[in-house]
Amino acid sequence: QVQLQESGPGLVKPSQTLSLTCTVSGGSISSGEYYWSWIRQPPGKGLEWIGYIYYSGSTYYNPSLKSRVTISVDTSKNQFSLKLSSVTAADTAVYYCARDSPWIAARLGFYYGMDVWGQGTTVTVSS
Amino acid sequence: SYELTQPPSVSVSPGQTASITCSGDKLGDKHACWYQQKPGQSPVLVIYQHSKRPSGIPERFSGSNSGNTATLTISGTQTMDEADYYCQAWDSSTGRRVFGGGTKLTVL
Repeated sequence: QVQLQESGPGLVKPSQTLSLTCTVSGGSISSGEYYWSWIRQPPGKGLEWIGYIYYSGSTYYNPSLKSRVTISVDTSKNQFSLKLSSVTAADTAVYYCARDSPWIAARLGFYYGMDVWGQGTTVTVSS
Repeated sequence: SYELTQPPSVSVSPGQTASITCSGDKLGDKHACWYQQKPGQSPVLVIYQHSKRPSGIPERFSGSNSGNTATLTISGTQTMDEADYYCQAWDSSTGRRVFGGGTKLTVL
């Protein structure tokens, strides 16, 4: 049973960089079977996809956040991470990591959704 | 930028059928998914590829697609189905994922 767990500071000052890590257990990122995504949800609002990473390090980011986002992977620790720079109060949200669709599905033109999610971690941007 | 439109809220009586729509340009080409999110919990995938149910999702959840609109249908709605529901699309040409704004389903 694959499980994901987000970790990182719950409070970040404006203009600084938000850094979060997602630890995967019960499965291996380096198997190359899945994409791995970050999603966020501001208080009382909807979900916003931030970006994904593949075990090889290839990434794709939401164009609206692309200039500030970096997602990286550490296969030795079975973790992937999110960095969001120059944060403002608008970046206050619950941040989720999720197991995204299998890589082979995308190659075949299919998409299977995000089937395993972490519990989420709340990040507040405030001085 | 690509956008998905959902009604903010839908109400249904227990035992009746609830339908939640999601509209977007050429959505039929974008393999819509649906997620259920209850208060204080993480989202749960309930439908993928427009109409397929992951293991463990009750049969009362179904999905369909017609051109620019995807629909999540809950037959015999139960009080436990009261939640926020989000559609999500995948753009095969770019890999981009997009979520709809969400629909609050009230069962009363």
